[in-house]
Amino acid sequence: AQSVTQLGSHVSVSEGALVLLRCNYSSSVPPYLFWYVQYPNQGLQLLLKYTTGATLVKGINGFEAEFKKSETSFHLTKPSAHMSDAAEYFCAVSDRVGVDSYGKLTFGQGTILTVHP
Amino acid sequence: EAQVTQNPRYLITVTGKKLTVTCSQNMNHEYMSWYRQDPGLGLRQIYYSMNVEVTDKGDVPEGYKVSRKEKRNFPLILESPSPNQTSLYFCASSSSGGPASTQYFGPGTRLTVL
Repeated sequence: AQSVTQLGSHVSVSEGALVLLRCNYSSSVPPYLFWYVQYPNQGLQLLLKYTTGATLVKGINGFEAEFKKSETSFHLTKPSAHMSDAAEYFCAVSDRVGVDSYGKLTFGQGTILTVHP
Repeated sequence: EAQVTQNPRYLITVTGKKLTVTCSQNMNHEYMSWYRQDPGLGLRQIYYSMNVEVTDKGDVPEGYKVSRKEKRNFPLILESPSPNQTSLYFCASSSSGGPASTQYFGPGTRLTVL
């Protein structure tokens, strides 16, 4: 069974600083990879996803993530944090193979991002 | 507006009192799913449905039931709620349910079972 690990349940940065949220997966075959964001009192919305092709994926709100097969990682970055980025971020994976995992997302534990003025 | 709606948004109930959380989507999506979110555990899938009358268990189905009689609706039923089902619940849908598809989430239902 695949798993997802997000390093750091809480990350705190200053406004304007680099944001780096870490995600590693465990899967024998590279899965589809997603980052979702959850703003306070809201549901999750997709930030970006990697399915195939270019390993650097750009998403909404200036975020991007790079798929590194050799490191089994899909870290999320943003060059300059904004106060509005404060939220909880979830990394998720979905198997490329296996009918029984069709449509199933496996989520990491989540990382709460705090942005200080 | 394309959306997934859930009702109620907040619910406090007592042990053993049957309840239903409704979920509806207006995007003609075939795939729908229920998750629960607990601190430090991320989201875990309860049940999912690939289409009308087709449902299957996720990772944590015990104590829950679902039905999919219409394409747009996917209610979650707790026949005899217990305190360990206190959680934040999310409904989600996607167009095909394929492993690369984007899931669209409802706003969540915060359930407290006393």
